[in-house]
Amino acid sequence: KQEVTQIPAALSVPEGENLVLNCSFTDSAIYNLQWFRQDPGKGLTSLLLIQSSQREQTSGRLNASLDKSSGRSTLYIAASQPGDSATYLCAVAEGTSGSRLTFGEGTQLTVNP
Amino acid sequence: EPEVTQTPSHQVTQMGQEVILRCVPISNHLYFYWYRQILGQKVEFLVSFYNNEISEKSEIFDDQFSVERPDGSNFTLKIRSTKLEDSAMYFCASSPRFSGDGYTFGSGTRLTVV
Repeated sequence: KQEVTQIPAALSVPEGENLVLNCSFTDSAIYNLQWFRQDPGKGLTSLLLIQSSQREQTSGRLNASLDKSSGRSTLYIAASQPGDSATYLCAVAEGTSGSRLTFGEGTQLTVNP
Repeated sequence: EPEVTQTPSHQVTQMGQEVILRCVPISNHLYFYWYRQILGQKVEFLVSFYNNEISEKSEIFDDQFSVERPDGSNFTLKIRSTKLEDSAMYFCASSPRFSGDGYTFGSGTRLTVV
């Protein structure tokens, strides 16, 4: 059974700092990996999608990497801003069709002005 | 940008009652999903739906639950005989073909069973 773990559970940084969020998964037979942002009481906003054949994806200040063989992904946020404060979720799509996402517990990020 | 729309945003129901949660997926998407998140816990997969039938379901999705696409736009989750432990945020999602194209999630329905 796929297990997804995110470290750290919570992170507090001053504005402007670069930071890395970590995600690990136990079964490397994934279809893709997706990073989401969740604001309190709200839905999930997709940030980046990495296919299993890819190594990284970038969008603005965000860069996500994937090392499928070691079961790891990182989300790098450059020049953090208070508006980046949210919970960041990692999710892997499994198997040949990828129809089921397995989520990590999330990292709660606070960026202090 | 196209959105997945969920209604209501919050529903309170008495234990033992039936509830229907509604979703309007993105119009050209073919795969539809329901997930739930109990407060303080991980987001969990419930069911995926394609071509008017369930394509996959989790162990959580037992006979208490059912899904339906009653028309060309709506996708519903019915929970029969609700229990206190059904209290959670329920998210609908859709994808163009399968999750290879990525998911778009709705903003969720917070279900409170009292």
